[in-house]
Amino acid sequence: EAQVTQNPRYLITVTGKKLTVTCSQNMNHEYMSWYRQDPGLGLRQIYYSMNVEVTDKGDVPEGYKVSRKEKRNFPLILESPSPNQTSLYFCASSLRPQQGYGYTFGSGTRLTVV
Amino acid sequence: KQEVTQIPAALSVPEGENLVLNCSFTDSAIYNLQWFRQDPGKGLTSLLLIQSSQREQTSGRLNASLDKSSGRSTLYIAASQPGDSATYLCAVKDAGNNRKLIWGLGTSLAVNP
Repeated sequence: EAQVTQNPRYLITVTGKKLTVTCSQNMNHEYMSWYRQDPGLGLRQIYYSMNVEVTDKGDVPEGYKVSRKEKRNFPLILESPSPNQTSLYFCASSLRPQQGYGYTFGSGTRLTVV
Repeated sequence: KQEVTQIPAALSVPEGENLVLNCSFTDSAIYNLQWFRQDPGKGLTSLLLIQSSQREQTSGRLNASLDKSSGRSTLYIAASQPGDSATYLCAVKDAGNNRKLIWGLGTSLAVNP
């Protein structure tokens, strides 16, 4: 089944403890992206990657890191999480959005930082 | 700067009604528009993707239309069912920025048995 898989689904952590949220897609998509969703603010893009070894900042990149060493994986790294990073996170992929292809989203990761 | 608005923010209807959800955008220069469904605490499921050259797309009981000149899209749901209860989000891909989607805040739909 074609899908975007995020892990974990739920995570509670403490301030300052480094964590990684994994994202993997099995559709050979070139483009991958991370979003966070907060009440009243909607979905906001954190980082995106147009292809392997190519990443760029979205609208709210502060406090996050990403890497794209392989086409299928796009992990989101929080080096020193803070409570304001408590949110619902989504990973998305697309074959080539610049050619009009749509996006496929993962099931989300609910992160709580205490 | 492109902005996407969805009205109403919430909608409650009895089962069986036909309903329309609205999405408006401020800049008509879009690449495409995509409708998603989000169930509480869950991921986003793509419903329909409309390219800028298209007027509508259909999938089962769902029909999405696009009027670029007026900056509007509608999602029509026929014969609504309780299982349609969810939040519906529309997202626009700007013609000038092909790398990200610009999102509305969604319409929360409740279909009552």
